[in-house]
Amino acid sequence: GDSVTQMEGPVTLSEEAFLTINCTYTATGYPSLFWYVQYPGEGLQLLLKATKADDKGSNKGFEATYRKETTSFHLEKGSVQVSDSAVYFCALSASSYGQNFVFGPGTRLSVLP
Amino acid sequence: ETGVTQTPRHLVMGMTNKKSLKCEQHLGHNAMYWYKQSAKKPLELMFVYNFKEQTENNSVPSRFSPECPNSSHLFLHLHTLQPEDSALYLCASSQGPGGGDTQYFGPGTRLTVL
Repeated sequence: GDSVTQMEGPVTLSEEAFLTINCTYTATGYPSLFWYVQYPGEGLQLLLKATKADDKGSNKGFEATYRKETTSFHLEKGSVQVSDSAVYFCALSASSYGQNFVFGPGTRLSVLP
Repeated sequence: ETGVTQTPRHLVMGMTNKKSLKCEQHLGHNAMYWYKQSAKKPLELMFVYNFKEQTENNSVPSRFSPECPNSSHLFLHLHTLQPEDSALYLCASSQGPGGGDTQYFGPGTRLTVL
């Protein structure tokens, strides 16, 4: 079945450091790919998405590119802030109707001042 | 209100109590979901409803009973819960189940079972 693998962390960075959180997936067909973020005490918020190969999703300085050849959707940010401290989830939604989301285990990011 | 709302935000209950969690979506979506998020465990899909019909039940114990009276409202009725049921319960909605649709989440209900 479909699956998502991501580095579980925790990842600890200093403010203004470069961030990469790796995400790879296994799926039949052409899934849509997502990054969600969960701040402490809150639900999941959509951060960005890409629906086809070579698409780049971006939001709030975060970017991820849908790489079909490597089945990856790595999340990057050039300069992290303390306010980016959260848990980040990679997910896919299969192209077939009736197939549910598959979430990765989440990566906890802590950014130190 | 916009998006997906959940009430209550926090709930403390004893093992013999009966309570209900409520979710409402204002996005015109047709599919709604309940997830359980426990500490140090992956997100667990519990139930899926599409056009008010339950389409998935991921082997959830019968002490959790979902109800979907219409496409905008979803309830999770709780009774005789166990301490290990303490978790964050998240509701989500999407235009349809799968097909690349984005899921939108509510803020969750933090449940503590004593």
